[in-house]
Amino acid sequence: QKEVEQNSGPLSVPEGAIASLNCTYSDRGSQSFFWYRQYSGKSPELIMFIYSNGDKEDGRFTAQLNKASQYVSLLIRDSQPSDSATYLCAVKAENTNAGKSTFGDGTTLTVKP
Amino acid sequence: SQTIHQWPATLVQPVGSPLSLECTVEGTSNPNLYWYRQAAGRGLQLLFYSIGIDQISSEVPQNLSASRPQDRQFILSSKKLLLSDSGFYLCAWSGRREQFFGPGTRLTVL
Repeated sequence: QKEVEQNSGPLSVPEGAIASLNCTYSDRGSQSFFWYRQYSGKSPELIMFIYSNGDKEDGRFTAQLNKASQYVSLLIRDSQPSDSATYLCAVKAENTNAGKSTFGDGTTLTVKP
Repeated sequence: SQTIHQWPATLVQPVGSPLSLECTVEGTSNPNLYWYRQAAGRGLQLLFYSIGIDQISSEVPQNLSASRPQDRQFILSSKKLLLSDSGFYLCAWSGRREQFFGPGTRLTVL
């Protein structure tokens, strides 16, 4: 079992719809959770982070964390074609050396006009 | 604000040749630094991380090495490249929590 699991996709949604991306993790000691967006040929860009159970909203993005169930999700409202990218989930336990994060393999999202 | 630089942006090298990729960070001191490799269509593989000058930890045994001669400089090297070394090499830095990536170097070994 991978430490951080994501559906590889591709996930396809129509423009204007809500895209829902999910991530599960195995280490119950994980304390910090991150979502990165990676466009084809580019480096990952941090778009959301969440540290407490519940929802965190930033513009069209909402991160949801449920530590008891060990999952974190990213909702993208009013999806746009420019949201088409691979989304990487990362988790970090506070006591890891050098603050290493563990990354999932990513979910590819396609938003169709 | 913090900025992370990597060069070169792209590189084509023959098998058996040496490699040196450089990463520098501006706007922060004593960052944690990381080297990742991403094969085409794959996830991120952590290669090395560093918590300070000359303090390097290797995650995956291979023919690569890393050095940190200065606080904000991280170098990835190889004496002899293999075909399997091709990929997208990413340098990253982190402070207390969030991690940020540089623009990357795309390496093709022929």
